[in-house]
Amino acid sequence: QLQESGPGLVKSSETLSLTCIVSSVSIGPNDHYWAWIRQSPEKGLEWIGSINFRGSTSYTPSLRSRVTMSVDTANNRFSLELTSVTAADTAVYYCARHSGSEGGQRWFDPWGQGTLVTVSS
Amino acid sequence: QSVLTQPPSVSGAPGQRITISCTGSSSNIGAGYDVHWYQQLPGTAPRLLIYGNNNRPSGVPDRFSGSKSDTAASLAITGLQADDEADYYCHSFDRSLHAYVFGPGTEVTVL
Repeated sequence: QLQESGPGLVKSSETLSLTCIVSSVSIGPNDHYWAWIRQSPEKGLEWIGSINFRGSTSYTPSLRSRVTMSVDTANNRFSLELTSVTAADTAVYYCARHSGSEGGQRWFDPWGQGTLVTVSS
Repeated sequence: QSVLTQPPSVSGAPGQRITISCTGSSSNIGAGYDVHWYQQLPGTAPRLLIYGNNNRPSGVPDRFSGSKSDTAASLAITGLQADDEADYYCHSFDRSLHAYVFGPGTEVTVL
């Protein structure tokens, strides 16, 4: 239902760009949010941010200065941009539906299969 | 270091019951935020196992159950099976960090 796409290799200091194509369910209008999560051996699972069909976003504070999420309801997809990447941004990036009725109580389901992004020097 | 604490590993024999703890604080679990659990099989994406502390999505066997009390939560697996070998993660929201947070994960081994 969710599929990540984008480059698997990004150069240090450049911008990481990923897209999540959503199928079998509409991005909106509905109550869902749509999220990006990454996983690395060093940091484990880390929520990056979430967006709804109106484009309302919330980002994790530690990445807020470098993250931009956008939504394309016409094509049922949403995207992530992470600027000024370093080796610490090397991770498997997942997109997921951020379900639930209240902020702070939401869960992630389903998840995309994930895509490995490596930051090279 | 995560604000949610889990044991690094738990093991049990086939058919046994095991529990995985997830310990938080007054900023997350103790503040009333729900706990959710995910199972990650090797080489795959995490899969939702329990949402809203104790609810199972359709398709998840009733061998899996969740509970929450004060600043902690637990995932129980009964009738342990070989294909339960995976990493298990708890997840909640932290109001001090203003972020959704995950535990470090617990590796389950079936002896």
